[in-house]
Amino acid sequence: SQTIHQWPATLVQPVGSPLSLECTVEGTSNPNLYWYRQAAGRGLQLLFYSIGIDQISSEVPQNLSASRPQDRQFILSSKKLLLSDSGFYLCAWMVNSGANVLTFGAGSRLTVL
Amino acid sequence: AQSVAQPEDQVNVAEGNPLTVKCTYSVSGNPYLFWYVQYPNRGLQFLLKYITGDNLVKGSYGFEAEFNKSQTSFPLKKPSALVSDSALYFCAVRDRTNAGKSTFGDGTTLTVKP
Repeated sequence: SQTIHQWPATLVQPVGSPLSLECTVEGTSNPNLYWYRQAAGRGLQLLFYSIGIDQISSEVPQNLSASRPQDRQFILSSKKLLLSDSGFYLCAWMVNSGANVLTFGAGSRLTVL
Repeated sequence: AQSVAQPEDQVNVAEGNPLTVKCTYSVSGNPYLFWYVQYPNRGLQFLLKYITGDNLVKGSYGFEAEFNKSQTSFPLKKPSALVSDSALYFCAVRDRTNAGKSTFGDGTTLTVKP
């Protein structure tokens, strides 16, 4: 069966420090991968999605970047965090076809102080 | 462009009563529609989806949703609510021609009181 792992679960970082959130998927190959941000427990904003290694699309201009160094690994990064980067970050994967559903990780809560 | 509206931030129902969580959508083509549920500090979990065919879709935990093309709506329903149904519910849409990008509504917090 497929599983998705996301870490760290919680992170407190000072303004201006770097960030790295990691997500890995097991039990499938060539998945679509996604990073969403959820602010204040409400709606989800799509940050990045990837349909393959080194194929990453950014949905909104921001202080963040994403990389996919391996087929089932998706990393969200920042060189210098801003206060506004605080939030709940969710990684998700989906089989790349049809009406397949997103499967989400447990999330990473980032607090920037 | 695709979009989803969940007009209610909060829905309160008594246990045993029916519940409805509203959702309307906008897409340029034919949609895939989804409902997800989120418990506190957790990721989203899939409840049900509409692809084609029967407009009434049944999903997990006794939930169902009815696709209405003319009203571009996809409300989530359950005949008899449980306290354990209390959670944050998200409606999502994906255009069939889209490259796998889903758009989510802002979510509706459902509170079921005993």
